[in-house]
Amino acid sequence: SQQGEEDPQALSIQEGENATMNCSYKTSINNLQWYRQNSGRGLVHLILIRSNEREKHSGRLRVTLDTSKKSSSLLITASRAADTASYFCATKAGGGADGLTFGKGTHLIIQP
Amino acid sequence: DTGVSQDPRHKITKRGQNVTFRCDPISEHNRLYWYRQTLGQGPEFLTYFQNEAQLEKSRLLSDRFSAERPKGSFSTLEIQRTEQGDSAMYLCASSRELNTEAFFGQGTRLTVV
Repeated sequence: SQQGEEDPQALSIQEGENATMNCSYKTSINNLQWYRQNSGRGLVHLILIRSNEREKHSGRLRVTLDTSKKSSSLLITASRAADTASYFCATKAGGGADGLTFGKGTHLIIQP
Repeated sequence: DTGVSQDPRHKITKRGQNVTFRCDPISEHNRLYWYRQTLGQGPEFLTYFQNEAQLEKSRLLSDRFSAERPKGSFSTLEIQRTEQGDSAMYLCASSRELNTEAFFGQGTRLTVV
């Protein structure tokens, strides 16, 4: 079953603009991770944010986490054509279970 | 290349045949995961290993699926008597320890005809 729900399902913006994607989840988590996937390829890990963190940055990426609302956002600033991909959030539940639960993803298209 | 490696990248098989995929994790990672991804969906968790022990299996892992990690290094995923519904991308990932980043391989795309 898919716990995460990304919003929007698809997003098209002009190169240079910022892109924001949101993720909502249902159960308590240990951490939340964002991944990028280019068409037909494997997933690339972008950033991990733990349940006791509220914001993390990595280069042009900014991730926020609001555990009270069970939601996260991924902001990509100054987008580039190479950012065109599907973006997934994945949650890691608390306790000993170790699998990630993914959403359906946001398909981001950067128009040159 | 020190990333997660999967073999083969593509597999086309006839319905009813058995297939086996291999995953080589990042060498110092003791946790290894298998996921399945169908078109337009996010990956779905199948199973994971800590060293050679298989610690968790999803309900998605029917009796026709079996995974092994005999020496705590590489892992194999076998599907017996393949069905068309098994057509998907099978992804392997590894992580250093609990609650850390998981790194994915390029996947094996299975097509059952």
